[in-house]
Amino acid sequence: QVQLQESGPGLVKPSQTLSLTCTVSGGSISSGDYYWSWVRQPPGKGLEWIGYIYRSGTSFYNPSLESRVIMSVDMSKNQFSLSLSSVTAADTAVYYCARRDGQLLVHGDWGQGTLVTVSS
Amino acid sequence: DIQMTQSPSSLSASVGDRVTITCRASQSISTYLNWYQQKPGKAPKLLIYGASTLQSGVPSRFTGSGSGTDFTLTISSLQPEDFATYYCQQSYSTPLTFGQGTRLEIK
Repeated sequence: QVQLQESGPGLVKPSQTLSLTCTVSGGSISSGDYYWSWVRQPPGKGLEWIGYIYRSGTSFYNPSLESRVIMSVDMSKNQFSLSLSSVTAADTAVYYCARRDGQLLVHGDWGQGTLVTVSS
Repeated sequence: DIQMTQSPSSLSASVGDRVTITCRASQSISTYLNWYQQKPGKAPKLLIYGASTLQSGVPSRFTGSGSGTDFTLTISSLQPEDFATYYCQQSYSTPLTFGQGTRLEIK
C-alpha cells in the first residue's frame, strides 16, 4: 500500500515562496501510470486542484495558479515537490499530495495534509 | 473550466435514513465523475469513480449514478461513520474541479 507524506514549513511570509515535498513510500514514483498531484483546502472551505506531474516531468497546472506554480519530481528520493511563489493570505490552506491513477483517473491515495499559513 | 455544483450544501439525517446528494456539471462530462468522502481533519477518501463504480473496500450502501451533466450519490442506510462531507469531482478535463461539498450531519 503506497503512502504519501507532505513536509515543509508551516508558516510562510507574504510575497515569499511556499515549498512543500511529498515523500512516497511503499511504491516507486517512477513506475506505473500515475500522476502525482497537489490539492489544497483553505480552512473551512472546499477542495482545489493545484496540478499534477508525471514521472517524465510533464506537468499540468490549474490555470488559476499556473503563473505561480512549479512542480518537480525527484525519482532518486522518491519525492515530488510543489513551489508556489508570491503567496498571500489567500494561499493559507491544508495542502495535500495525492496519487492519481492514470487509467481510472482518480486520486486513490492521499497524504494526511499539511497546514501552511501565510502570515507576517 | 467545468463548474461542479452540489446540492444540498448541507443535510441533516438520522441513522438508517436513505439520503441522496446531487452533483451537476456545467457541461457534459460523460461518466468522468468521482465521489469523495472527507471527515474532519482527514484527507478525502475515494468512494466511487466513473460515476458508478464502487472503490474497493467501500460499503455497498453507497451507490452512484448518472451521466452527462447530472449525477447522484445515494447512501441507502446511513451509518454513524457516514456523517462527513462529500465532494464530487470531474475528471473529464483539466483543470480538475470539485463541487463545493455537501455536509451530512446527524439529525
